[in-house]
Amino acid sequence: SQQGEEDPQALSIQEGENATMNCSYKTSINNLQWYRQNSGRGLVHLILIRSNEREKHSGRLRVTLDTSKKSSSLLITASRAADTASYFCATDMDSSYKLIFGSGTRLLVRP
Amino acid sequence: DGGITQSPKYLFRKEGQNVTLSCEQNLNHDAMYWYRQDPGQGLRLIYYSQIVNDFQKGDIAEGYSVSREKKESFPLTVTSAQKNPTAFYLCASSLEGGTIHEQFFGPGTRLTVL
Repeated sequence: SQQGEEDPQALSIQEGENATMNCSYKTSINNLQWYRQNSGRGLVHLILIRSNEREKHSGRLRVTLDTSKKSSSLLITASRAADTASYFCATDMDSSYKLIFGSGTRLLVRP
Repeated sequence: DGGITQSPKYLFRKEGQNVTLSCEQNLNHDAMYWYRQDPGQGLRLIYYSQIVNDFQKGDIAEGYSVSREKKESFPLTVTSAQKNPTAFYLCASSLEGGTIHEQFFGPGTRLTVL
């Protein structure tokens, strides 16, 4: 079964608006990563957040992690049409050597 | 120009045939991975290798085989034993094994069984 699940499955917003995607997971983790995938392409790493961190920023991206709720959120501020993509969270399980990917949120940013 | 490459981009196979997907990286990474992605789904791990000459099964290894004879190469063979091989296959690498490092992905190979 999936370790991480994103919510919502699909999101459509207007350019300039903020986009928030959520990821929930089931077991304790060492770290959580967010990736972006443009249609038909490979994934690109966005941010890694460790289990002892609560928030990280990278440009227009803000990631939060709440280990008590076993959830993370990815906020994209001032969205652009080029942000249109699928976004995946990837978690490990404590003592695991592999990442487990969720099924993703498909983001559409309308010009 | 550093990165990870996969070939071919599109691959068609007849039922009953084995086919090998290529993955090469020049990032000097120790760890390499193969994932399968079905439409609208996330990635599922097929095999991974933390170091040359060593590899482990992932969650869906049945019907697949790999080798890691060189650090830069991690080919995946889809055998006739794989019942539903039509999918998008992604190769990735990371500096070392474990989950603390980001993974770098290739552009993918789309395999279609005719």
